[in-house]
Amino acid sequence: GENVEQHPSTLSVQEGDSAVIKCTYSDSASNYFPWYKQELGKRPQLIIDIRSNVGEKKDQRIAVTLNKTAKHFSLHITETQPEDSAVYFCAASYNQGGKLIFGQGTELSVKP
Amino acid sequence: DSGVTQTPKHLITATGQRVTLRCSPRSGDLSVYWYQQSLDQGLQFLIQYYNGEERAKGNILERFSAQQFPDLHSELNLSSLELGDSALYFCASSVALAAYNEQFFGPGTRLTVL
Repeated sequence: GENVEQHPSTLSVQEGDSAVIKCTYSDSASNYFPWYKQELGKRPQLIIDIRSNVGEKKDQRIAVTLNKTAKHFSLHITETQPEDSAVYFCAASYNQGGKLIFGQGTELSVKP
Repeated sequence: DSGVTQTPKHLITATGQRVTLRCSPRSGDLSVYWYQQSLDQGLQFLIQYYNGEERAKGNILERFSAQQFPDLHSELNLSSLELGDSALYFCASSVALAAYNEQFFGPGTRLTVL
């Protein structure tokens, strides 16, 4: 079945450190992997995404890597800032309508 | 502001009741998705509509139903409400069907069942 496992559930780092969040998906047909950031009481917002034909994508301090063979993908945030504190969700989808299967979320806390 | 609107923002009701949540997608978006977010279940996909037709279903309860109207707005109907239905319900929209089209989330409707 469709399942996405996300680890860790909570992550606390010092400002300026790097943070890594990892996800594993079950459906080998999945071909699109977005990451969403959700601040308290607000809507999820897309921060970066990657398609299955790409191994890595970077946008300033944020990068995502994908290992299709192992069915793993990860979010990397460098030089973390207090405003990075939020819940981050990974998701997987495949090209049959776009429904997203979300991981359980990681609560990231960046301490100044 | 994502351009997706949801009403009402908050809804408090009693067990056994029926409610309707409304979503208006971004201008030009044909695809609408409904998600349920509860503390112990994370974000769960419920159902998707594309240009008025149902396209995909998740673990949506039989007590729940949805539709998308000709003007592309969508409604999620929840009936025979139970305490466990208390959650934040998000609507999202995207321009087309393909998975890699970004989904834009609305502000959500917080449902509390007492």
